Amino acid sequence: DARVTQTPRHKVTEMGQEVTMRCQPILGHNTVFWYRQTMMQGLELLAYFRNRAPLDDSGMPKDRFSAEMPDATLATLKIQPSEPRDSAVYFCASGLVIDGRVAEETQYFGPGTRLLVL
Amino acid sequence: GIQVEQSPPDLILQEGANSTLRCNFSDSVNNLQWFHQNPWGQLINLFYIPSGTKQNGRLSATTVATERYSLLYISSSQTTDSGVYFCAPRPMFSGGYNKLIFGAGTRLAVHP
Repeated sequence: DARVTQTPRHKVTEMGQEVTMRCQPILGHNTVFWYRQTMMQGLELLAYFRNRAPLDDSGMPKDRFSAEMPDATLATLKIQPSEPRDSAVYFCASGLVIDGRVAEETQYFGPGTRLLVL
Repeated sequence: GIQVEQSPPDLILQEGANSTLRCNFSDSVNNLQWFHQNPWGQLINLFYIPSGTKQNGRLSATTVATERYSLLYISSSQTTDSGVYFCAPRPMFSGGYNKLIFGAGTRLAVHP
């Protein structure tokens, strides 16, 4: 049963600390999405990768957030320095785009990382 | 940008009841997914349904893209159906990737 995995599942940290969240997409998938979910804003897209290349990160606060894909099996989202307003659940999703047919893609979500910044 | 409205915002059912959740969207779409977020926070794919009707067990979904709405039917509801249901369409002219826009969700509580 192929699944997206995320670590850690829960993270409590203090303001100013660096936070790194990791995602392992489903094997064979070529797209990765990072989302943030809060009560106020709902689900927001932060970043999008295809074939490991970042194609859209317009949803991320650039000064403190960064997203990378060091290889096809690992995506990372870093926050440095973290702030209390970053407290949220961060989801990673992956999908497969074949022959550029993006509208036919189905996204599969990981279990999320619940982040609390004190 | 596209507006996605889900109704009702909250729904309480007795186990065994049927229900219909609605998703209206303001622009043309060429992809639409329904998700269930269970009480533990996991987002689970229910349907990929840009148009037409699909069924999966007690759940079925219909999207009428030309009229800009999608419906999710839950029959014989069970307590395990509780959670939040999200509709997420992709605007047709949203660029080179599958940028889903999530609605605010319908929060469902099924009581025994």
